[in-house]
Amino acid sequence: NAGVTQTPKFQVLKTGQSMTLQCAQDMNHEYMSWYRQDPGMGLRLIHYSVGAGITDQGEVPNGYNVSRSTTEDFPLRLLSAAPSQTSVYFCASSSLSGRTEAFFGQGTRLTVV
Amino acid sequence: KNEVEQSPQNLTAQEGEFITINCSYSVGISALHWLQQHPGGGIVSLFMLSSGKKKHGRLIATINIQEKHSSLHITASHPRDSAVYICAVVAGGATNKLIFGTGTLLAVQP
Repeated sequence: NAGVTQTPKFQVLKTGQSMTLQCAQDMNHEYMSWYRQDPGMGLRLIHYSVGAGITDQGEVPNGYNVSRSTTEDFPLRLLSAAPSQTSVYFCASSSLSGRTEAFFGQGTRLTVV
Repeated sequence: KNEVEQSPQNLTAQEGEFITINCSYSVGISALHWLQQHPGGGIVSLFMLSSGKKKHGRLIATINIQEKHSSLHITASHPRDSAVYICAVVAGGATNKLIFGTGTLLAVQP
């Protein structure tokens, strides 16, 4: 089925551990992005990419790393997890123009203890 | 002040009522999205608008570019419409960054 596949759905980490959230889309979208969703706040942009080999920082990039080696995949890496990174994370993809439907992954609920 | 403001933040309605959720924004945009998120669930796109009005079933979305305002209407509301509705604008410029409102939590009671 076409769409955005995001894994895992749930994850518990200890402070200082690292992990990678996976995101893949099969719609040949140029634009992919990662957001975090915290209570009382709108989704905030962590990192985004406008195509393979091109990434840039969003609003809250600290503590996260991304790469875009292919059009399909856009993984998000937590380098050294901190309790402040406890959140729900969403990956999204859309056309570069932004004038078409945006597709979101199922979300990852991450708890850092 | 947030660049995208939604109102109300919380809304409780009785089944069958007509519902309106508003979104105002302060930046130049190329498009606006309305999204739906059920509790503990993922985010689903309802509409993408750049002008005028769109209708899908009982849902209607309108946008007024000059007034920087959009509304989402639900006719004949049903308990299954209970969800968070999120407005997101595509900021103008070289990249199509989405800027999100904080969402409107809708509860439709039977």
